[in-house]
Amino acid sequence: QVQLQESGPGLVKPSETLSLTCNVSGGSINSDFWNWIRQPPGKGPEWIGYISYSGSTNYSPSLKSRVSISVDTSKNQFSLRLTSVSAADTAVYYCARAAAGTIDYWGQGTLVTVAS
Amino acid sequence: SYELTQPPSVSVSPGQTASIACSGDKLGNYYVCWYQQKPGQSPLLVVYKDDKRPSGISERFSGSNSGNTATLTISETQAMDEAVYYCQVWDSSTGVFGGGTKLTVL
Repeated sequence: QVQLQESGPGLVKPSETLSLTCNVSGGSINSDFWNWIRQPPGKGPEWIGYISYSGSTNYSPSLKSRVSISVDTSKNQFSLRLTSVSAADTAVYYCARAAAGTIDYWGQGTLVTVAS
Repeated sequence: SYELTQPPSVSVSPGQTASIACSGDKLGNYYVCWYQQKPGQSPLLVVYKDDKRPSGISERFSGSNSGNTATLTISETQAMDEAVYYCQVWDSSTGVFGGGTKLTVL
């Protein structure tokens, strides 16, 4: 069974860069698609982007200018960077696996608050 | 950008059948997934590819998709089914979620 675990700072200052890492266990990151999804308090999920097993990426059009997702296959991890954050980026951030077009496994999520 | 619309809330009596709709332009041309989210938990996949049920998900959960509307149906609804349900599709390799429907079991 695939397990995902997010890690990173819980507090980021406005205008700075949010960085999170997702550790994958129980499966290889050398297959499937690895996603970041966020959920602002009291709202629905918002897809941020993914990196594929081949290293190709795809991002939400609304975040594309500020987002990058990378992978470290040696550590079975993938990471999210979101630049120039504001209070609107405060959310629970999830990493998740998509296999055969289905997002099937999610991490437990990590709350990131943007505040000075 | 593609949009999915869900009713904010649906109420159902215990033991009855709940239907939660998700609408979008030509939604029947997409594969729809449904997720259940309880407070403080991550979303849980309950239906994928319109009408497939993951291992471990109760047979009471079923899905359909045609035209502009996909529907999640929960039969013999129980108190434990009370949650927010989200539909989701991929549009040009971009993930899209509906706004969510809170299911209340009265």
